[in-house]
Amino acid sequence: QKEVEQNSGPLSVPEGAIASLNCTYSDRGSQSFFWYRQYSGKSPELIMFIYSNGDKEDGRFTAQLNKASQYVSLLIRDSQPSDSATYLCAATNTGNQFYFGTGTSLTVIP
Amino acid sequence: EPEVTQTPSHQVTQMGQEVILRCVPISNHLYFYWYRQILGQKVEFLVSFYNNEISEKSEIFDDQFSVERPDGSNFTLKIRSTKLEDSAMYFCASSELRTRNSPLHFGNGTRLTVT
Repeated sequence: QKEVEQNSGPLSVPEGAIASLNCTYSDRGSQSFFWYRQYSGKSPELIMFIYSNGDKEDGRFTAQLNKASQYVSLLIRDSQPSDSATYLCAATNTGNQFYFGTGTSLTVIP
Repeated sequence: EPEVTQTPSHQVTQMGQEVILRCVPISNHLYFYWYRQILGQKVEFLVSFYNNEISEKSEIFDDQFSVERPDGSNFTLKIRSTKLEDSAMYFCASSELRTRNSPLHFGNGTRLTVT
């Protein structure tokens, strides 16, 4: 069974702080990992993806991948109230089927 | 920016009725998907579609479900005899390629309520 696990939260951080979101996956064949943001009642929006070990930065967001530990994380720097949402981690091996975690709820407190 | 569009945004139907959910994927995308999300739960894969045929489907996608690409732009999900447990948000998604750096682009979803 291919699983993606996330701490459901809620995670609360003050405005301007760094939010750290974590994800583990069970399928060692997973090649690519995606972070999506989902506001309540809305569809998932892509934040970024990563497929090589190490860090990948895009603006205020940094994704980190450790394939040996089967661990993916997302750091959000200078968190804003508008970042308050549920963050979904997804993994895929062939690109044909994406496995999603249950998501971590983030609240940024002004 | 091109986007995936879904209609209707909300569909209410009675148990046992057939529903068709419609999607227009991004025009240069080759792979199409249906996912569903029951309220408060994870986004679950239903089916992927490429080159006018199903390429993969999950256990959820049983005989009551079917997909079709009736023309060059639309992609539909049909649920033949709806059950109460089919109530969920249904998301259509598309991707340009089936490679490791080709993300899913989601539509806004159709909220299906079965009464």
